[in-house]
Amino acid sequence: LAKTTQPISMDSYEGQEVNITCSHNNIATNDYITWYQQFPSQGPRFIIQGYKTKVTNEVASLFIPADRKSSTLSLPRVSLSDTAVYYCLVGGFNTNAGKSTFGDGTTLTVKP
Amino acid sequence: GAGVSQSPRYKVTKRGQDVTLRCDPISSHATLYWYQQALGQGPEFLTYFNYEAQPDKSGLPSDRFSAERPEGSISTLTIQRTEQRDSAMYRCASSLAPGTQDVQYFGPGTRLTVT
Repeated sequence: LAKTTQPISMDSYEGQEVNITCSHNNIATNDYITWYQQFPSQGPRFIIQGYKTKVTNEVASLFIPADRKSSTLSLPRVSLSDTAVYYCLVGGFNTNAGKSTFGDGTTLTVKP
Repeated sequence: GAGVSQSPRYKVTKRGQDVTLRCDPISSHATLYWYQQALGQGPEFLTYFNYEAQPDKSGLPSDRFSAERPEGSISTLTIQRTEQRDSAMYRCASSLAPGTQDVQYFGPGTRLTVT
């Protein structure tokens, strides 16, 4: 099971780009990297998922280097509503290894 | 259903009592997960189901915790002889297919307080 390491917290200002990096040195060949966002009093919500190189959707981009030992979530032009905890999740599920480890995430605070 | 639902949303119980929490996943989702989340921490895996099978329950903290999904849809998490340290948010999530990296959809959670 791949262990992940993220910064505990980050501060930013409205309109800036925010990059949150997650380290996962022992990622397995068939593991994907998935990022979730969690607001207070809500469950985590999927943001983006990738396996290698770059993935982009309407809310974020995910950059994964060739060795896949880390990944960077990029949030363009953040707003106050992006203040949340962001979790990097590595792994997945098969019939014998369903454990899913979120870690403690990165608390992003966006300031006006 | 449209999303994952959980009930009750809040539960206060006295130490030593048994509690049962319910999760209703997105219909047709094969996989269902239970997590425990303490304040200020990430969700901690408890167990999961592929349909009605429960391949991994290694995350359950003790034998006081058990989960069922007898018909492969609704699931219950039961905590027997509750202790104060069981106080936490209990979250359920579901995903479409087993054995994949599918996105997990979370319910609103059940806040359990043991007094």
